[in-house]
Amino acid sequence: ETGVTQSPTHLIKTRGQQVTLRCSSQSGHNTVSWYQQALGQGPQFIFQYYREEENGRGNFPPRFSGLQFPNYSSELNVNALELDDSALYLCASSSRQGSTANSPLHFGNGTRLTVT
Amino acid sequence: RKEVEQDPGPFNVPEGATVAFNCTYSNSASQSFFWYRQDCRKEPKLLMSVYSSGNEDGRFTAQLNRASQYISLLIRDSKLSDSATYLCVVNPPGGGNKLTFGTGTQLKVEL
Repeated sequence: ETGVTQSPTHLIKTRGQQVTLRCSSQSGHNTVSWYQQALGQGPQFIFQYYREEENGRGNFPPRFSGLQFPNYSSELNVNALELDDSALYLCASSSRQGSTANSPLHFGNGTRLTVT
Repeated sequence: RKEVEQDPGPFNVPEGATVAFNCTYSNSASQSFFWYRQDCRKEPKLLMSVYSSGNEDGRFTAQLNRASQYISLLIRDSKLSDSATYLCVVNPPGGGNKLTFGTGTQLKVEL
């Protein structure tokens, strides 16, 4: 069974730039969620993708956007980077059965983004 | 008021001690509840789900009190390897795994 994998592991960007983070979901999982974890805080829900469509969004501005592909992998895009976007970005996959039932979340190792 | 509140700690305890963490949540219609463990600079990993009847997994016991909107985790016979941050996690109304995390409670188990 292949777990959740994220790339890159670390990234340094400059304020105003754009970044794309990638995630491959665990084998058999059809739902991908993205979280932002700032230093000393718990993860904050950004959005979730199911069947290639956004299926819920947290309190993040539109410059945070995403995609899910037919193979269930996903991308998180952040435009116009700000210093406060520096954080660990976590991808988590799960298996959705029926309207709301979900298996537990499995997290990837995360991408540590530093904005200077 | 934060949606999920935890004491950030750190809790420094000797090996073999019993330690308890508490957590409160604000939305009474929340669906399901979990404890996750996060090691330094690693991803969160599911420790256990939390049920109203209380549930136990080895040295770990979790309890949910829906009336008080309160969740607890008890660790007995602490090991050095238990040192980590413990995240209280709530699945909001409607479920769907759009989880709300607390800030985490840091545990350090010492010799």
